[in-house]
Formats: sequence, C-alpha cells, structure tokens
Amino acid sequence: QKEVEQNSGPLSVPEGAIASLNCTYSDRVSQSFFWYRQYSGKSPELIMSIYSNGDKEDGRFTAQLNKASQYVSLLIRDSQPSDSATYLCAVIPGTYKYIFGTGTRLKVLA
Amino acid sequence: SQTIHQWPATLVQPVGSPLSLECTVEGTSNPNLYWYRQAAGRGLQLLFYSVGIGQISSEVPQNLSASRPQDRQFILSSKKLLLSDSGFYLCATKRWSQGKETQYFGPGTRLLVL
Repeated sequence: QKEVEQNSGPLSVPEGAIASLNCTYSDRVSQSFFWYRQYSGKSPELIMSIYSNGDKEDGRFTAQLNKASQYVSLLIRDSQPSDSATYLCAVIPGTYKYIFGTGTRLKVLA
Repeated sequence: SQTIHQWPATLVQPVGSPLSLECTVEGTSNPNLYWYRQAAGRGLQLLFYSVGIGQISSEVPQNLSASRPQDRQFILSSKKLLLSDSGFYLCATKRWSQGKETQYFGPGTRLLVL
C-alpha cells in the first residue's frame, strides 16, 4: 500500500501568520501532487496542484515539491480565520489512483 | 462545467439493513467515476472506480458493491450494513485543467450505522 503521511495537528497559527503544512510520500515514481481543503462536514476542494520540483504560487498559497526528499508542502501566507480547515495531501503514484493523506487540521486564531 | 449530485445528504441506518447511495454527474459524458469513503480520523479510501457503463473495479474487498447502470450514474450498495460502514461517502470524477487531471468531489453522503 502506497502511503502519504501528514501530521494530524491541529496546527494553530495566529491571524496574519504563515501556516506551513507538510506531507511525505513513499512512492518515488509519483508525478502528480495535490492539496485539498476540507471544511468540517463538506467535501474536499482542490486548492493547489504541483508536478515539478520547486515552488508554485497562487495568491496566498505556495506549494513546494522536493521529489528527491519525497515531500510536498503548502504555505499559506497572511492566514485568515476562514483558512481554518483540514488540508489533505494527495498523490498519484504512477497509476490511476489518488492516494490521500489523513489531513492536517489548521486553526487560525483571530 | 461538471456538477456532481449525491443523495441522500445524510442517512441513519440500523446494522444489517440495506444501503443504496446515488451519484449523478452533469456537464460531461463518459466520465471516470469514483466512490470514496472517509471514516472518522482516517483518510479518503478509494472503494470503487468505473471507466464506463457496467465497468466497475473494486479496490477494497468488503460488503459494499457498486454499479453503473447509466453513463452518468454511479450507485453504491450494500445488502447488510456493518457498524464500520459509517462514514462520509464521496463520489468523484476526473476534471481537467490546463492539460492536467484533478479529482473533483461531489457534496457527499454522511452515513451513520447504529
């Protein structure tokens, strides 16, 4: 079973701070990586995808990928209380299947 | 654009009762369809996927089954529910953006087995 691991949290950050979420994966052939946000009681929604080593920025979000170290991270700048949610990391390990981590719960304190 | 409908939104069922959850997709034809389950404190677990009518692949052996009677309809069933079947059931499709695929989820069905 391919694995994607995340710290369950909660990760608490003050409003306006940078939140850093991390994810490691076990399958070296993985090529596609995703971050989903899931509010309590709702379905996951895609917020970032990344396919190449390095950084990818989209507004307040930056995804970072390091294939040699097999980790992918998500930075949220200027964190807002509305960012409080569970963030799921997902990987496609060279097949049709998405492998999801268990998620990190983020709490942004006003 | 694609829209996924799932019903019911919530369901409370006794142990041993049957189950039928429905997923329909609008805005696309011949979609790849997926059923996931998210149990409390656990990640999303892929249960079934389908690439076309009548084509179902099972990822996890258990008391659940899936069917795809129409192109844009995907049904999850059970003859006898277990307590461990409780969870949040999500139907999903592939969505393409800038030449890359992503997984797009429906609103989900929350199932509580008592």
